[in-house]
Amino acid sequence: EVQLVQSGAEVKKPGESLKISCKGSGYRFTNYWIGWVRQMPGKGLEWMGIIYPGDSDTRFSPSFQGQVAISADKSINTAYLQWSSLKASDTAMYYCARQDDYSGYDCWGQGTLVTVSS
Amino acid sequence: AIQLTQSPSSLSASVGDRVTITCRASQGIVSALAWYQQKPGKPPKLLIYDASSLQSGVPSRFSGSGSDTDFTLTISSLQPEDFATYYCQHFDTYPLTFGGGTKVEIK
Repeated sequence: EVQLVQSGAEVKKPGESLKISCKGSGYRFTNYWIGWVRQMPGKGLEWMGIIYPGDSDTRFSPSFQGQVAISADKSINTAYLQWSSLKASDTAMYYCARQDDYSGYDCWGQGTLVTVSS
Repeated sequence: AIQLTQSPSSLSASVGDRVTITCRASQGIVSALAWYQQKPGKPPKLLIYDASSLQSGVPSRFSGSGSDTDFTLTISSLQPEDFATYYCQHFDTYPLTFGGGTKVEIK
């Protein structure tokens, strides 16, 4: 079974750093792009960026370029989303998803809720 | 960046109704469009890819059509489990953007 399992909910203070993870199983992890999607409370989906674990090729939305880092460790089938200095406005649910070629996100993680509050 | 405009932003419908949601791209994207369904507290679920291809396991009452800049998602006979929010997403060029969503509510 193809599966993406994300790390658990986080509560952080403004200015703190954070790295959340997304572990793939049931398929060849290096052969599919992994995307990250933000959903702020009560709002729609926002595409943040994507990584190809095979060679770590990464693309970002201009809205998130420089605000987050995306990485992957193919030896443990895990992708990461990272902040160096969180802001209250980073409070959101973050999803990872597997991109099937260029046609759709066919498998999603369960989401990681990040709360940033002083 | 390509922008996707969904309409309506919300609609009320009854079980058994035919429902149509539209997604308009700011520039041509051929057929590089997907549709998702999201229920509260859950991740999105892929319904349609390549504008009109039904994802495996998705009921046949869901269908997609369109090309270039204008796309539609149709639910032929709305079922109780279909009340949710629907999003389109393009796969033409990076950044890959989502539409603003359409919330389908019970009338």
